[in-house]
Amino acid sequence: GAGVSQSPSNKVTEKGKDVELRCDPISGHTALYWYRQSLGQGLEFLIYFQGNSAPDKSGLPSDRFSAERTGGSVSTLTIQRTQQEDSAVYLCASSLGGGSRTQYFGPGTRLLVL
Amino acid sequence: LAKTTQPISMDSYEGQEVNITCSHNNIATNDYITWYQQFPSQGPRFIIQGYKTKVTNEVASLFIPADRKSSTLSLPRVSLSDTAVYYCLVGVLNYGGSQGNLIFGKGTKLSVKP
Repeated sequence: GAGVSQSPSNKVTEKGKDVELRCDPISGHTALYWYRQSLGQGLEFLIYFQGNSAPDKSGLPSDRFSAERTGGSVSTLTIQRTQQEDSAVYLCASSLGGGSRTQYFGPGTRLLVL
Repeated sequence: LAKTTQPISMDSYEGQEVNITCSHNNIATNDYITWYQQFPSQGPRFIIQGYKTKVTNEVASLFIPADRKSSTLSLPRVSLSDTAVYYCLVGVLNYGGSQGNLIFGKGTKLSVKP
């Protein structure tokens, strides 16, 4: 079956512009995660959606970052007024449940802010 | 959330057995131990998960001592294609609650040489 898909695969933008990153999770997965990975670094948790519960936004680095998950499926991560330090790979993962349930990752979106 | 500590890097040669140890001194009773593998330019991929004693699958073995304060991922007879970053995580196996994100650290960068 289809895995987690993300779009675009690459995004180049200018400082100050807004960007939207999309994640399509595996059908039936109730949990969805966004992570950020800077070059040579580990994964930095950003936000977690689980079913109809309020999302865990504890990892969002600033109020320029926001995310939505519509209909319990597709999610969009929005970065407003992008900065050069936002350049990274943004990874989305989904799982059948939260916690230690196996997370299936998408290929990521490489964001470059000039 | 239990914090994990693992070596930053390890080197090995083809055909050798590689053991990567992870410390998690404050692991909770309900926490599971999970390992992920990440190749360059890809999202992490689930390798193995366990609660106690030993777990083995077609890819690796996971050894967990009785006190569960550490765990060891064992990769038998590694090949060049096993060169990757390996992440150790601990967290509750949650079936749908609102909490449950996992923390990915910087992982262990394994380099397999010919």
